[in-house]
Amino acid sequence: SYVLTQPPSVSVAPGKTARITCGGNNIGTKSVHWYQQKPGQAPVRVIYYDSDRPSGIPERFSGSNSGNTATLTISRVEGGDEADYYCQVWDTSNDHPVFGGGTKLTVL
Amino acid sequence: EVQLVESGGGLVQPGGSLRLSCAASGFTFSSYWMHWVRQAPGKGLVWVSRINSDGTSTTYADSVKGRLTISRDNAKNTLYLQMNSLRPEDTAVYYCTRGTGDLDYWGQGTLVTVSS
Repeated sequence: SYVLTQPPSVSVAPGKTARITCGGNNIGTKSVHWYQQKPGQAPVRVIYYDSDRPSGIPERFSGSNSGNTATLTISRVEGGDEADYYCQVWDTSNDHPVFGGGTKLTVL
Repeated sequence: EVQLVESGGGLVQPGGSLRLSCAASGFTFSSYWMHWVRQAPGKGLVWVSRINSDGTSTTYADSVKGRLTISRDNAKNTLYLQMNSLRPEDTAVYYCTRGTGDLDYWGQGTLVTVSS
């Protein structure tokens, strides 16, 4: 099964830019989706198909994907962005989604 | 408005059974693949099982194969997960979600606790 690797934690000061990576073999050839999960809540999709943003998600959230790394970028970070973030791709060999291990974003 | 509402979770002894349900509304349920994703306490998201739109094809994570069964009733707009031979490591919040590719809507989850 396809493996996605995320750093366990990322810390950033308010107003700065946070970058959360998602590594996978030739992940640039796949579509990557990102989810935000706050404590006690269900995941919420924040980026889909590498860089598209659902309605209601701030423009501060953006995504990119190339080579062996996909990146979720959060600009002008706010305290409300503190959450766990998960990347996800579709495993075409087995026809099901695969998640990264998740990254805890801490706003200092 | 798309809604997914899970129910059926609770406390069960090891070796026991439980049936989860996910009631869907606000969209054409029969057009979507559906999934169960679980999250053990303090851990990450793990895909468990998926079913295609007409219920003719299912897939399971190796950790649950042979013990959990996914099904759907398109007439009732409901997704199910029959859980048998439960183990302590099945303890988790179980979410239902929809999609092929990305997973755009999620339920609020239902907690399953396997303990004696």
